Amino acid sequence: QQPVQSPQAVILREGEDAVINCSSSKALYSVHWYRQKHGEAPVFLMILLKGGEQKGHEKISASFNEKKQQSSLYLTASQLSYSGTYFCGWRGAGSYQLTFGKGTKLSVIP
Amino acid sequence: NAGVTQTPKFQVLKTGQSMTLQCAQDMNHNSMYWYRQDPGMGLRLIYYSASEGTTDKGEVPNGYNVSRLNKREFSLRLESAAPSQTSVYFCASSEGVVHADTQYFGPGTRLTVL
Repeated sequence: QQPVQSPQAVILREGEDAVINCSSSKALYSVHWYRQKHGEAPVFLMILLKGGEQKGHEKISASFNEKKQQSSLYLTASQLSYSGTYFCGWRGAGSYQLTFGKGTKLSVIP
Repeated sequence: NAGVTQTPKFQVLKTGQSMTLQCAQDMNHNSMYWYRQDPGMGLRLIYYSASEGTTDKGEVPNGYNVSRLNKREFSLRLESAAPSQTSVYFCASSEGVVHADTQYFGPGTRLTVL
C-alpha cells in the first residue's frame, strides 16, 4: 500500500517555504525523502528515523507525527534548484523494502 | 567511484521479445533493488536482493526474473515483453544495514515495448 503524499503539486516563488506531507497506515521504521529532476534518477535528501532523528540536508528538514502517522518535509527559502518531484519512501520495521508515494511536483519560479 | 551503473540507457522491443537489463554498483553494498517508474505512479519495487545469494519479490514481480550474479551485479530479465512493461527501470543499492539504510539509484533504462 503506497503512502499518500500531499499536495500533488505546488508552485512557489523563490524565497518562499513549502511543506510536503507523507502519510501511511503502516507502522513506521523510517521515512526516506528523495528529489527527482526530469529525466534523472532520484537523489537522496533525508532520512527520518522513528523517534524523530533526522539525517540530511542543510535547508531541508523533516518531522514525524506518530499520532497522524505522517511525515512532513520542510523546504525553507526555496531556490530555483529545488524544483523537481519529491518522493517519500516508507519503511516498516524489519523490512528492506521502501514503499514510495506517487510524488509531489514542486516548481520554483523567479 | 561510478556508483550505480545501468545498461542499456534506452531500449525498444517488440511484443514477445526478451531482454536483460544490467546493473552494477561499486560501493560494496550488500543490497540491490529493481524498480519501475510509470507516470503518476511513483517508484514500485519489482525485486530485491537483500544480500548476495538471495532474491525476493517486491510489489510488482509478474513478468520479470532477476539474478544476483555476484555482490556487484544484479540483472533484471523480461522473458516475453509486453506493452504494459513500457516504463523507466531504476536499479538501486544500499548497505543493507537495518539502521538508516539509504538507497542510491542508477541513471535508469527507458524501455518501450511495441
